[in-house]
Amino acid sequence: SQTIHQWPATLVQPVGSPLSLECTVEGTSNPNLYWYRQAAGRGLQLLFYSVGIGQISSEVPQNLSASRPQDRQFILSSKKLLLSDSGFYLCAWSVGGGAGNTIYFGEGSWLTVV
Amino acid sequence: GQQLNQSPQSMFIQEGEDVSMNCTSSSIFNTWLWYKQEPGEGPVLLIALYKAGELTSNGRLTAQFGITRKDSFLNISASIPSDVGIYFCAGQGGSEKLVFGKGTKLTVNP
Repeated sequence: SQTIHQWPATLVQPVGSPLSLECTVEGTSNPNLYWYRQAAGRGLQLLFYSVGIGQISSEVPQNLSASRPQDRQFILSSKKLLLSDSGFYLCAWSVGGGAGNTIYFGEGSWLTVV
Repeated sequence: GQQLNQSPQSMFIQEGEDVSMNCTSSSIFNTWLWYKQEPGEGPVLLIALYKAGELTSNGRLTAQFGITRKDSFLNISASIPSDVGIYFCAGQGGSEKLVFGKGTKLTVNP
């Protein structure tokens, strides 16, 4: 069966420091991968999605970037964190193919920028 | 772009009561999904709907894909305290990306 893991689960970082959140999916090949952010426990904002290695689409211009160095690995990064980057970050995956594309989420990572 | 309206935003009910929440969209969707999120965790898929008119149950949960393909509802029967959480609807049109509602926060008083 397919599983998704992301880490770290919680992170407290000072303003201006770098960020790296990592996500891996097991049990499937060539998944679509996503990074979402959720503020204040409500509303899921799509940040990035990827349909293949090295292919990244950005939904919202901001202080963050994403990379997909391997088929089942998705990384969310920042060179210099802002206070507004605090939130709950969720990695997700789906099997490609258009209609009927169900998304499955990871456990989430809490980021607090201080 | 595609938008979803999810209502109500929050619900406070007594244990044992039935719950109903719904989502409407400004455009036609091919897929409707319902998720539940508990505090500090990622959303978990409850029910997936792929055909207009489809009615699907998962235990005490029932969801329907509206016949117009622009709406969906989720019902929870005989609520229990562990039903507490935020419920999200999500819909997908022709693209790979889901559109999410803003969530319905459910509180169940024992």
